[in-house]
Amino acid sequence: EAGVAQSPRYKIIEKRQSVAFWCNPISGHATLYWYQQILGQGPKLLIQFQNNGVVDDSQLPKDRFSAERLKGVDSTLKIQPAKLEDSAVYLCASSFLDSPSGSGYTFGSGTRLTVV
Amino acid sequence: AQSVTQLDSHVSVSEGTPVLLRCNYSSSYSPSLFWYVQHPNKGLQLLLKYTSAATLVKGINGFEAEFKKSETSFHLTKPSAHMSDAAEYFCVVGGQGGKLIFGQGTELSVKP
Repeated sequence: EAGVAQSPRYKIIEKRQSVAFWCNPISGHATLYWYQQILGQGPKLLIQFQNNGVVDDSQLPKDRFSAERLKGVDSTLKIQPAKLEDSAVYLCASSFLDSPSGSGYTFGSGTRLTVV
Repeated sequence: AQSVTQLDSHVSVSEGTPVLLRCNYSSSYSPSLFWYVQHPNKGLQLLLKYTSAATLVKGINGFEAEFKKSETSFHLTKPSAHMSDAAEYFCVVGGQGGKLIFGQGTELSVKP
């Protein structure tokens, strides 16, 4: 079974520039998550999709972050404009729709963003 | 609301000695609990999970954890550490809607 695919693997940008990350979940996984992991901390949920609808985006800084999952499959997370504090690893994960609370997750390898 | 507290930010053990990584949780209902491991520059890997079945949960690579409701704890143990166990370990509680709530992490170092 193919895993959760993310690209790019690494990205370095200057502050105030924009950047986009891509995620392709496991086939058949209806739920897709984006997590932000700042160095030295545990991952924190940014946004959760169920098919192509947003379930939870309460922790997403909507003034600069946006995400979409137009066809209910792959997803894009965008930051515009980036700030220094956005330097982090951005993790995508997916699960089946009926996975018990938190079970059945598969994480991608992440995109490491450095804002200089 | 759910939350987890990992009591140690860093644990150092010698190879062949036991490992204990401590985790306390807070949940307004019967929780799902997990331990994940993250090796340097690698993705998150599920070690084990508790979902209201047996309170002693066995995971991969010889790790196990015991769910103690009275103590609101879910400590991770391994009888004998191996050099390859050196990594960051996260205690995680399942939140509403399937999201995961991570602790701050415990870095495990294994000395030869």
